Formats: sequence, structure tokens, C-alpha cells
Amino acid sequence: RKEVEQDPGPFNVPEGATVAFNCTYSNSASQSFFWYRQDCRKEPKLLMSVYSSGNEDGRFTAQLNRASQYISLLIRDSKLSDSATYLCVVNDYKLSFGAGTTVTVRA
Amino acid sequence: NAGVTQTPKFRVLKTGQSMTLLCAQDMNHEYMYWYRQDPGMGLRLIHYSVGEGTTAKGEVPDGYNVSRLKKQNFLLGLESAAPSQTSVYFCASSLANQGQPQHFGDGTRLSIL
Repeated sequence: RKEVEQDPGPFNVPEGATVAFNCTYSNSASQSFFWYRQDCRKEPKLLMSVYSSGNEDGRFTAQLNRASQYISLLIRDSKLSDSATYLCVVNDYKLSFGAGTTVTVRA
Repeated sequence: NAGVTQTPKFRVLKTGQSMTLLCAQDMNHEYMYWYRQDPGMGLRLIHYSVGEGTTAKGEVPDGYNVSRLKKQNFLLGLESAAPSQTSVYFCASSLANQGQPQHFGDGTRLSIL
């Protein structure tokens, strides 16, 4: 089993829609979690950290479910500029990256 | 503030050639990392360093060597390039390991013919 697994998508959504996707992780002792965003052929950039109580940053909401070992990302009121690949990252003694979920927002 | 800078941006090599990729960071970060990213796969850790003069193997270290002679620089070497090493290579740095996000360079696209 991979350490971090993501639905690769793609999720094709119209502007203004809400899109949500999950990421599962295998190590129950994992301590910290992040969502990164990666645009085509560019470097990954930190989108947000994921806290145990859940957290929100503008239109983005991240949730952590330790019992089921998954984290989620929800994007509200999607913009064209949200089109990207979203990487789930789990940190125990090292960062483990998911392969990414591709989101395409269409006009 | 440049952040993390990788050189070169692109390179084409022939099988058996050697080369060194340079990563430099100006954030005074202790930890530095080299990853490779291949289509359909997540970033895979090649080697990392927890401080000047230290290096450690990651998930896919074979065929690569690294050095961290100065805190701000982390070099990745390919002694004898193979087509399987065709990939996009990313360097990253962080203040510490646990709980700290990583800052990435903009990548080196390497093709081995």
C-alpha cells in the first residue's frame, strides 16, 4: 500500500462550483499534513497546512480525519486560476507526497 | 529574496555522462532535499541533509550522490547517467523536518539519451 494515495482525477468543474477530494495515508502516527499546489511543469507551492481541528483559508477548507486516516480539501466558488494539481503531503519523519489530484475549472 | 535556486534549468545528457545539479537557498534553512518527479507519480525523495556536512539516503538514492559542504548549497551528482534518470528534479529546503513545510526550487528538467 502506498504511504499516501490520492484520486488522480481529473475533476472538471464549471466556474463557481464547489469541488472536494480526499487523500488517504497509511501511517497512523503521522503528525502533520499539508496541501500543496502544483501548476503544469512548475514547482510545488504550499497551499495550506492541515490542522486537527480543520482550517479554512478563503475559499479553501482542509479537514483531517485521524480515525479514518484521510485529509480532505474543499474549494468553494471555483475560479479558472484554481486549475492545477493538488498534492497531499504527509509528514512523519519525512514528507511523503501523493501523486496529486488534477482539477480543471472551465469557464 | 531568491528563496531556492536550482541550476541548470534544463540539460540533455548522453548515457554514461556525469553531471552535477546545484541547489542554493538563502533562507538559512537547516534541512535540504532532492526529489525526482515522474509522470503519474508523487515526488520521490532521493537524498536529504539535516545540516552542513551531513547527508542521508531517501527513497530512491541509487545512481545519485550528494554533498552539503556549505549550509546554503546542496549538490546532486549523477556519476554515470542512465535513461531511467530522465526526470524533473526538485530541490527543497525547510527550517526543520517535523511539522515544517518545504520551499521548492523551480526544477531541473533532465533528459538522458
